[in-house]
Amino acid sequence: GESVGLHLPTLSVQEGDNSIINCAYSNSASDYFIWYKQESGKGPQFIIDIRSNMDKRQGQRVTVLLNKTVKHLSLQIAATQPGDSAVYFCAVSRDSGYSTLTFGKGTMLLVSP
Amino acid sequence: NAGVTQTPKFRILKIGQSMTLQCTQDMNHNYMYWYRQDPGMGLKLIYYSVGAGITDKGEVPNGYNVSRSTTEDFPLRLELAAPSQTSVYFCASTLQGTVRGKGEKLFFGSGTQLSVL
Repeated sequence: GESVGLHLPTLSVQEGDNSIINCAYSNSASDYFIWYKQESGKGPQFIIDIRSNMDKRQGQRVTVLLNKTVKHLSLQIAATQPGDSAVYFCAVSRDSGYSTLTFGKGTMLLVSP
Repeated sequence: NAGVTQTPKFRILKIGQSMTLQCTQDMNHNYMYWYRQDPGMGLKLIYYSVGAGITDKGEVPNGYNVSRSTTEDFPLRLELAAPSQTSVYFCASTLQGTVRGKGEKLFFGSGTQLSVL
């Protein structure tokens, strides 16, 4: 099976800093990776995804890095804002299928002004 | 579009009671999913459906039942509620079951917080 873990349960940063949230996975056959943001009392919201044929993908203020050698991915948020405060978790799939997604436990990002 | 709508938002059940968590989506998505989220844990897949009339078990199906009579609706049924079913439940949907290109993202509802006492 797959196990997905995050390195830190909580990350505190100052407004304007860059944030890096990490995720490790166990199955080398995993081929699709997603980062979600979950605000308090709401459902998870898609942030960015990446397939195993890439090692970097950029969105608006966010970058996902994938290192297949060590089975690690990270989410980088540039110029972190108070509105970025939320729980972030990664999800990993072994066949690009949603029914095989394994979710990590989440890192709570706290942004102070 | 309203997206994925779940009702109720909160519910308290006594042990042994039954209830149905409602989920409906207006995006004409084929695939729908039910997850549970326990404190400090990742989402676990309970059941999913690839289209009307078809359902499949996920990782943690015991104690739950689902049906998919229409494309829009995917209710989750708890027949004999147990304290272990205290959790936050999320319904989700996507157009395709696998990632084939842009647009096949998983859309989540806002959740149902269920307590079984």
